[in-house]
Amino acid sequence: DAGVIQSPRHEVTEMGQEVTLRCKPISGHNSLFWYRQTMMRGLELLIYFNNNVPIDDSGMPEDRFSAKMPNASFSTLKIQPSEPRDSAVYFCASSFGTGGFSFGSGTRLTVV
Amino acid sequence: SQQGEEDPQALSIQEGENATMNCSYKTSINNLQWYRQNSGRGLVHLILIRSNEREKHSGRLRVTLDTSKKSSSLLITASRAADTASYFCATDAWTSGSRLTFGEGTQLTVNP
Repeated sequence: DAGVIQSPRHEVTEMGQEVTLRCKPISGHNSLFWYRQTMMRGLELLIYFNNNVPIDDSGMPEDRFSAKMPNASFSTLKIQPSEPRDSAVYFCASSFGTGGFSFGSGTRLTVV
Repeated sequence: SQQGEEDPQALSIQEGENATMNCSYKTSINNLQWYRQNSGRGLVHLILIRSNEREKHSGRLRVTLDTSKKSSSLLITASRAADTASYFCATDAWTSGSRLTFGEGTQLTVNP
């Protein structure tokens, strides 16, 4: 099992540009989570899906952020337009039931 | 606000010593999990303890849970330099569905 796969690993973009982060969860896992990690705020849950359906997006900072899960094997997190304060490491995680989470390696986003 | 709070924020020990990290949380939980994060990497699931369990072991790891005090501890015995990492507790609360809320972490440094 390759684990949770995220792409890209690093992204540097200019303020105002659209950024799309991608995630492939572990096959068979029915929940998918997007987290953001910064020094100031630690790990924050942005949104999570259960069986491809968004359950709680209350952690999404604002309308500039959107997430989709068109099928069980793929999810995207989009920021449009991006701002410097969005710079962070974005993690995708998946799980099955109430078991432990499997995290991807993260996408380090820098908005200049 | 963070559900889990780790203590201490940073811990430095010598190889071979034991390391103890504590976690406190605020609401009733379904389970509590501990994760490790090496610098620049994703989080790795270490151990899960359910609310009806009091102690759990996995190799050199020992986790305790006291639901009356809303606290947990992670003990790493016979530490190694490779154990140097940040350690996070995360709670799966009854009221939050299947998502995890992470604490701010303890930075453990094991000196060779």
